[in-house]
Parts: sequence; structure tokens; C-alpha cells
Amino acid sequence: NAGVMQNPRHLVRRRGQEARLRCSPMKGHSHVYWYRQLPEEGLKFMVYLQKENIIDESGMPKERFSAEFPKEGPSILRIQQVVRGDSAAYFCASSRDTSEAFFGQGTRLTVV
Amino acid sequence: LAKTTQPISMDSYEGQEVNITCSHNNIATNDYITWYQQFPSQGPRFIIQGYKTKVTNEVASLFIPADRKSSTLSLPRVSLSDTAVYYCLVGVSYNNNDMRFGAGTRLTVKP
Repeated sequence: NAGVMQNPRHLVRRRGQEARLRCSPMKGHSHVYWYRQLPEEGLKFMVYLQKENIIDESGMPKERFSAEFPKEGPSILRIQQVVRGDSAAYFCASSRDTSEAFFGQGTRLTVV
Repeated sequence: LAKTTQPISMDSYEGQEVNITCSHNNIATNDYITWYQQFPSQGPRFIIQGYKTKVTNEVASLFIPADRKSSTLSLPRVSLSDTAVYYCLVGVSYNNNDMRFGAGTRLTVKP
């Protein structure tokens, strides 16, 4: 059973472009969480999804950011019109229920 | 209002026992207490989860007093490889997944 897979591991985008970050949860996991982390800072919760539903998006910026977890395929975190301040590591985690969550290796987004 | 409060940093030496305490005065009846470990440039890793009293696994022990307003993660005989950030989470319950992390405690183990 493969772990949580995030791709790409590194992503470089120019200001104004779109960034699409993918997260494939562990097999059998229907809960997905996205986080953003700046260097030397903690994990900032962004959004919690269950299959096809957004459960809690209170940590998502109101504009330019969106997330989905379709019935088939990976969860996608989409950032439109990226700005330099979006540069960060983005982590995804999945869980089967309310027990331990498993994290991916993260996607490091650099906006130039 | 922060759900959890932990020391920002701690130092220890190899072979010592390390205890990291987390305060969670507003813990709800259904909330579990969960601890994660994060190494630089990696995603966090689950360490231990508990509801009350004491939980022990092959990595750590978790002590929770009767009032559940705090918890202590105990790492026996730490090594240099235990240098990491340790996060305490409160809010995961049987019907809720509040996975908000606090600032964490940066543990540095010295030789």
C-alpha cells in the first residue's frame, strides 16, 4: 500500500500563472487535508475534504485558491494567478477515519 | 483562541528522557489528543494518540491527567535523530476531524 503521493515535488511558476498540486491519498482513505508551510513556520490548515465534498475550507484564502476531491482521481489544490507570497511547501494528508493521518512529502512551490 | 499551547523550543542530550507538555484548557469531551513529529523538508508523522490516562507505543508514551486540560509526550532515551518539531493536536474525535496544528515544539538533541 503506497503512502500519500504528492506531485510534483517541486513546481516553479511565474507570477500570474496557475499552479495545480495533486494528492493521491492512501488506498481506502476518504479524508484529505491540505496545509501550507512557510520556512521555519508551522503547518497552516487550509482545507478538509471528503470524497466530492468540502467539509471545512476555513483556512483557504477567499480568492485564487480552490480544492477538490473528485470521486475518481487525486485531490487537486489549485492556485490561480500565483504571486510571490504563494511560495511555500504544500502538504497533503489522508486518513481513513478519525485515527492517524498520513502525510505526503509535499510540493514545494516557487513563484518567480 | 489557540486550542493548544506548547513550548516553542527545548534542548536535550542524547540518552535523556524528554517530556513535552501541551496545554489544551478548552478540550471538548469528545476530543482526542494526537501528537505528530516533523523533520525538515518532510511531512509530519503520527506518533501517538490518546483520550485519557496513559498510552504507550514503541516510540513514545502519552500521559493525560484526569482533567484532560494538558498532556505530556514522553520520549525515552532520545537520540540525535529525534531532533524535530513536535506538534500536539486536539480536536479529532469520533465524529470530527479538526486537524489544525499549533506552532509546535522544536526539540534539539545534542551529543
